[in-house]
Amino acid sequence: EAGVVQSPRYKIIEKKQPVAFWCNPISGHNTLYWYRQNLGQGPELLIRYENEEAVDDSQLPKDRFSAERLKGVDSTLKIQPAELGDSAVYLCASSSSTVATQYFGPGTRLLVL
Amino acid sequence: KNQVEQSPQSLIILEGKNCTLQCNYTVSPFSNLRWYKQDTGRGPVSLTIMTFSENTKSNGRYTATLDADTKQSSLHITASQLSDSASYICVPQTGANNLFFGTGTRLTVIP
Repeated sequence: EAGVVQSPRYKIIEKKQPVAFWCNPISGHNTLYWYRQNLGQGPELLIRYENEEAVDDSQLPKDRFSAERLKGVDSTLKIQPAELGDSAVYLCASSSSTVATQYFGPGTRLLVL
Repeated sequence: KNQVEQSPQSLIILEGKNCTLQCNYTVSPFSNLRWYKQDTGRGPVSLTIMTFSENTKSNGRYTATLDADTKQSSLHITASQLSDSASYICVPQTGANNLFFGTGTRLTVIP
C-alpha cells in the first residue's frame, strides 16, 4: 500500500515569491493534516481536514498561507508571499479518523532566500 | 498550559547498548500518548500508542511506559542498532484530539 505522497521534496525560492506544496494521502483516509517542522523542533499543526472541510485552522497564518482539499482527497498548501522565516519542512499526514494513528509523508523542505 | 518536555535533548550510545528516553507532559484532558521515530529527512513513524489505562507497550526492541498520574513516559531501546539513529518524539493527545509534539531526543548509535 502506498504511503502519503508529497511533492516537491525540495523547493528553493526567493522571498516574496509564491510556493505550493501537494499531498496525496493514503487511500481511504478521511483526515488530512499539514504540519510545519522547524529544525530541531517537533511538528506544529497548521491545518486539519475532515474530508473536504477544514475543522482546525487556528494555527494557519491566514494572511499568507492558504490550503484546500477540494474533493476530499488530495490537498495543496500555498504560501504567498513567502518570507525568510517560512524556511522549514512542511509535512503532510493522514489518518482514518482523528483518533487513529497519523501516517506522515516525507515532507517538503522549503528554503526561502 | 499544554507542554511536552523531553530529555535528554541528544544522546550518543554504542551499538548493542540499551538506552532510555524520557518525556514529561502537562496535557489535559489526557487521552493517549504516542512515541514516534523520525529518521533524518523523513516523516515521523509511529512506534507505540498507550491510553491512560496502559502502563507499558512494546514494539520489538522498543518498550514504552506510561505513568498517567505523574504524567511521565519513557521509551526504552534494547540492544541498539545503527538504524536506531533518529529523533524520537513524544506526542500526548487530548480528548479533543489535539496532538502536542515534543521537540524530540536525537539519538546517535555509533559502532
